[in-house]
Amino acid sequence: AQTVTQSQPEMSVQEAETVTLSCTYDTSENNYYLFWYKQPPSRQMILVIRQEAYKQQNATENRFSVNFQKAAKSFSLKISDSQLGDTAMYFCAFMKSFQGAQKLVFGQGTRLTINP
Amino acid sequence: GAVVSQHPSWVICKSGTSVKIECRSLDFQATTMFWYRQFPKQSLMLMATSNEGSKATYEQGVEKDKFLINHASLTLSTLTVTSAHPEDSSFYICSPRTPGRNEQYFGPGTRLTVT
Repeated sequence: AQTVTQSQPEMSVQEAETVTLSCTYDTSENNYYLFWYKQPPSRQMILVIRQEAYKQQNATENRFSVNFQKAAKSFSLKISDSQLGDTAMYFCAFMKSFQGAQKLVFGQGTRLTINP
Repeated sequence: GAVVSQHPSWVICKSGTSVKIECRSLDFQATTMFWYRQFPKQSLMLMATSNEGSKATYEQGVEKDKFLINHASLTLSTLTVTSAHPEDSSFYICSPRTPGRNEQYFGPGTRLTVT
């Protein structure tokens, strides 16, 4: 079974700084999807960024980028120029595919606080 | 973008009563629905998966007779917590998926408090 591990329960940085959240996963699959979700205080889950394993290029979305190391099974999220609105729980997630009822497997989460 | 609604957003009920939570996909057809439970400061835990018109598949440790899931239409799924107890107090999130869109959506969640 696939597992996702986030080793940083909490992180805190100053506004405008860059922060990196770590995520490792375990799978025997060759093709799969990886995601970072944000859950702000409203508790609405928001997709931040996703990576398809067959793509070698790291995904980026504005201030958010990932460092995908397939061989190391590592998928870290970098937030540049952090903003107060980035304060949230961040979950790393794995999914084998979108076929059928394949499940999202979530990590334990990292609580990120951006300080003014 | 896809719009998912959940109703109610917050419900308080007495121990022993049943509560129904509705999840609607407003602008797409949800062929598969995932229901999650989230305790404070914890990750999302998958409770069950359902396909439209079929019985739900429950995760190990989740009582199917206590958490009744109905997915009778492509735009509505319900989760009924029967004979609720204080330990059922949690945040419940529905998450629909539709074929052809490689994305999984999330409802805004329902906070259940059992007194």
